[in-house]
Amino acid sequence: NAGVMQNPRHLVRRRGQEARLRCSPMKGHSHVYWYRQLPEEGLKFMVYLQKENIIDESGMPKERFSAEFPKEGPSILRIQQVVRGDSAAYFCASSPGGVGNQPQHFGDGTRLSIL
Amino acid sequence: RKEVEQDPGPFNVPEGATVAFNCTYSNSASQSFFWYRQDCRKEPKLLMSVYSSGNEDGRFTAQLNRASQYISLLIRDSKLSDSATYLCVVSYTGRRALTFGSGTRLQVQP
Repeated sequence: NAGVMQNPRHLVRRRGQEARLRCSPMKGHSHVYWYRQLPEEGLKFMVYLQKENIIDESGMPKERFSAEFPKEGPSILRIQQVVRGDSAAYFCASSPGGVGNQPQHFGDGTRLSIL
Repeated sequence: RKEVEQDPGPFNVPEGATVAFNCTYSNSASQSFFWYRQDCRKEPKLLMSVYSSGNEDGRFTAQLNRASQYISLLIRDSKLSDSATYLCVVSYTGRRALTFGSGTRLQVQP
């Protein structure tokens, strides 16, 4: 019974490169959420997706960031032209359905470091 | 003002002590409440949901006061393994996204 799977665990990029972070939800979960945690800060919501749809992207920066959750395959968080300030831990969570009181289960996260 | 506020700590307590964490939230359109625990920058793990009537899970007791917009977590008989950051988490009506507090750090000492 695999949990939420994220890869890579660690990702190093130089300024200006692209970063692609992947997330496979728990089996049976169709809702995916991305959060970012900056050093010494709490988690901040970025985007909520269901298969092939972005439901809420109110936490996503307007530029350089995009997310998708295709019909087949994992959810992808893509950061173009990375900058030093993008260095953070990016966590993905999933839940089984659309009821607000269902807890979300988190993956191990991807630690992104920008050189 | 932050939507979810917690005392950052750290709380340094001896083994066996009872410790309580408090959390306040500002948005009255709140629906669900949780306590998560996070170890050393690892992923947050659900500790317990918080129900209006209060609930207990072993050594952990959670309370919710909707009128005061206040949530608490009580840990009895602290263990070394309880050392972690405890995150107060709220979800709002109409939004699936979770809103996290910055966390309260607990260090249980031998």
